[in-house]
Amino acid sequence: AIQLTQSPSSLSASVGDRVTITCRASQGISSALAWYQQKPGKAPKLLIYDASSLESGVPSRFSGSGSGTDFTLTISSLQPEDFATYYCQQFNSYPDTFGQGTRLEIK
Amino acid sequence: QLQLQESGPGLVKPSETLSLTCTVSGGSVSSTTYCWGWIRQPPGKGPEWIGNIYYSGSTFYNPSLKSRVTISVDTSKNRLSLQLHSVTAADTAVYYCASAYSSGRPHHWGQGTLVTVS
Repeated sequence: AIQLTQSPSSLSASVGDRVTITCRASQGISSALAWYQQKPGKAPKLLIYDASSLESGVPSRFSGSGSGTDFTLTISSLQPEDFATYYCQQFNSYPDTFGQGTRLEIK
Repeated sequence: QLQLQESGPGLVKPSETLSLTCTVSGGSVSSTTYCWGWIRQPPGKGPEWIGNIYYSGSTFYNPSLKSRVTISVDTSKNRLSLQLHSVTAADTAVYYCASAYSSGRPHHWGQGTLVTVS
């Protein structure tokens, strides 16, 4: 199975900050990567698919980039509602796999 | 708009079979546009993909669970089902029903249901 490694595992930031989370795949996955946001007690919410396509209804401050093995999720200006845990998922080949998560906390 | 609603027992005894149902509304499990599946998330951990089923009936399972899992669809009731046999405490998790495009691109998740093995 393809392994996804996210970094950092946790991150403290302030409202208005620009934040970048990375996801590295153990082998090339083209652009078959998604990013999710999860808040406590809720299902993960799809933010980005195909590495850089913004899901409908997701604020434009979220963006994704990368292909092959290295990917990034960027939040251009953190808002209070963005403090959550973020996961990447590869869907290039079965089994789909997820990163271990990045917890974004308020500084 | 597509909606997925999981249902089933919240408590299962060790060695027994976990059985969950996902009712699909706003779409059809017979659709060629989507595939349907299950994802689980143990408390405090990241999600784990369980498997998918396509309109053709083809199934794909996580090798780590393949010997114990069955995913099926009931087209007459527009729902899909999950069976996980011989459960242990390690199978305690929130179980999500999920749809994806046939290309594999994620589409939608249900709200999830907590199943405790004890």
